[in-house]
Amino acid sequence: GAGVSQSPSNKVTEKGKDVELRCDPISGHTALYWYRQSLGQGLEFLIYFQGNSAPDKSGLPSDRFSAERTGGSVSTLTIQRTQQEDSAVYLCASTALAGGYTFGSGTRLTVV
Amino acid sequence: DAKTTQPPSMDCAEGRAANLPCNHSTISGNEYVYWYRQIHSQGPQYIIHGLKNNETNEMASLIITEDRKSSTLILPHATLRDTAVYYCIVRARMDSSYKLIFGSGTRLLVRP
Repeated sequence: GAGVSQSPSNKVTEKGKDVELRCDPISGHTALYWYRQSLGQGLEFLIYFQGNSAPDKSGLPSDRFSAERTGGSVSTLTIQRTQQEDSAVYLCASTALAGGYTFGSGTRLTVV
Repeated sequence: DAKTTQPPSMDCAEGRAANLPCNHSTISGNEYVYWYRQIHSQGPQYIIHGLKNNETNEMASLIITEDRKSSTLILPHATLRDTAVYYCIVRARMDSSYKLIFGSGTRLLVRP
């Protein structure tokens, strides 16, 4: 596609429920990143994919967070047993490593 | 990983050049300087990047000092739509990861 697509754009969930966030990167981009941004805060790195493997998961805040990527394309970020502190905008970016990173518009997650 | 230092906020008049400084005194020889901006509620937008030579594109110019310890992003004719948070980032490298580490950025306000 023309850009990085994320879905849903907004998600409201009850505390304790699981959620899945989807990222569809630019076609041909081998690297994919997940970040999150809490209200009024900067961007926090979560995980990086090169192809289908994740050599850097250092930013995942707890074992409730996991991510996978299939076919070197779409990635899913899963948050289990959501907590209120998980409320944030979750951003996905992709790059071909030769230049700038392209970010999606994000998924705004609200845990109530 | 090299860190960057930016002023927390700046302002300039519409139509004037906006010059945003960034210090990165511990940058390594093979690390690039990237600039992104984030307009409220949107994902970060790539602006420009460089290694040691000055760079120019349709959005901005990047001036990197000869010792590479600082750089300046120049928006030649700022418009109201350039009001955003601007991030200066040194591309970190850990194993095979090329993740971007975002700091607090500079909040630029373009005044009418």
